[in-house]
Amino acid sequence: NAGVMQNPRHLVRRRGQEARLRCSPMKGHSHVYWYRQLPEEGLKFMVYLQKENIIDESGMPKERFSAEFPKEGPSILRIQQVVRGDSAAYFCASSPRGLAGASTGELFFGEGSRLTVL
Amino acid sequence: QQQVKQSPQSLIVQKGGISIINCAYENTAFDYFPWYQQFPGKGPALLIAIRPDVSEKKEGRFTISFNKSAKQFSLHIMDSQPGDSATYFCAAPLWNAGNMLTFGGGTRLMVKP
Repeated sequence: NAGVMQNPRHLVRRRGQEARLRCSPMKGHSHVYWYRQLPEEGLKFMVYLQKENIIDESGMPKERFSAEFPKEGPSILRIQQVVRGDSAAYFCASSPRGLAGASTGELFFGEGSRLTVL
Repeated sequence: QQQVKQSPQSLIVQKGGISIINCAYENTAFDYFPWYQQFPGKGPALLIAIRPDVSEKKEGRFTISFNKSAKQFSLHIMDSQPGDSATYFCAAPLWNAGNMLTFGGGTRLMVKP
């Protein structure tokens, strides 16, 4: 039973390029969350998606960042025109139901995609 | 903006000692309070969670103590082991952010042999 799969695990981009990070949730999970972790810092919420819908994007920067979770295929976090400040670990998590229906607040995290912007 | 405040930022404990990490939150949307454990290079994983209808929950060497009136909860690691060395995050589903978990800033625990 595969866990949350993220790829690439490591990505290096030059300033101005685009970064695409992919996340396949656990089987049977239709809720996907993206978090960003800066070095030596905590996890900051970015966006919450269900299949074909963005539910909450309150943590996502208004420009250059976008996310999708299509009917078929993985969720994708896209960062256009990357800058050095985008260097971070980006974690995807999934859950079988939204947090309103949860009993423990358990999110299943992938191992993260580490973006380095040169 | 509501937050989840975690302390200390880092902690060094001798093997066999007790590690204590504290967390304070503001108003929550739902009633559960989890702790996550993260090893270097890995994603966080749920360690233990508590619902506020109890004041304490124990699983092996890990215990959560919960004080609803003070809006605080803490993680106690008894008989700490070098393998417990990791970063620990508390989290809460805050009232104004009910769609996601808001995480504390993390505590880097090092258990010395």
